[in-house]
Amino acid sequence: NAGVTQTPKFQVLKTGQSMTLQCAQDMNHEYMSWYRQDPGMGLRLIHYSVGAGITDQGEVPNGYNVSRSTTEDFPLRLLSAAPSQTSVYFCASGDTGVPTIQYFGAGTRLSVL
Amino acid sequence: AQTVTQSQPEMSVQEAETVTLSCTYDTSESDYYLFWYKQPPSRQMILVIRQEAYKQQNATENRFSVNFQKAAKSFSLKISDSQLGDAAMYFCALDGGSQGNLIFGKGTKLSVKP
Repeated sequence: NAGVTQTPKFQVLKTGQSMTLQCAQDMNHEYMSWYRQDPGMGLRLIHYSVGAGITDQGEVPNGYNVSRSTTEDFPLRLLSAAPSQTSVYFCASGDTGVPTIQYFGAGTRLSVL
Repeated sequence: AQTVTQSQPEMSVQEAETVTLSCTYDTSESDYYLFWYKQPPSRQMILVIRQEAYKQQNATENRFSVNFQKAAKSFSLKISDSQLGDAAMYFCALDGGSQGNLIFGKGTKLSVKP
């Protein structure tokens, strides 16, 4: 069982570069989300989606774009990377039950120089 | 605004002993859910236990149990018979009804001494 798969696991970018963090799930979950984890800050919600074609902003959306064209995939795009985006990024998916139990990917460690 | 506070940045416990991690939260919702997640050095987020606010009974999962005090908005995690594999960061999280989005505390780093 693959669950939630994030690629890449590690990435180094230069300021101003763009990249896409990939997230795929094979559990047919409607709900998907992106969090970032910074030292001493816990996890903070960036964007989320409750189904294909539906996305919304979380607590810290600035500098990030998302789209949800399929149920399985929920990529996170950094259009112009900044050092403040150095973080560990987690993708999660969950069913639409109550509560929504979220399953997390292994994370992507991103460094922006 | 909904908030989650973990006031213990670090805790330590002797192997086989019991430790309690604290969490307080704030929400205006009457129906909500609380979670404890474990993050070992592998970085993987693992759900440990969950509590539904409308249930009076405290949740239990093997060696893990919670003390849920709704009026005090407190949700502590008790780990009994601590094992070396319990060493990790532990995050308290609140699902306050916003479409499943989680609000996390800043975490408590638990060390287990042999």
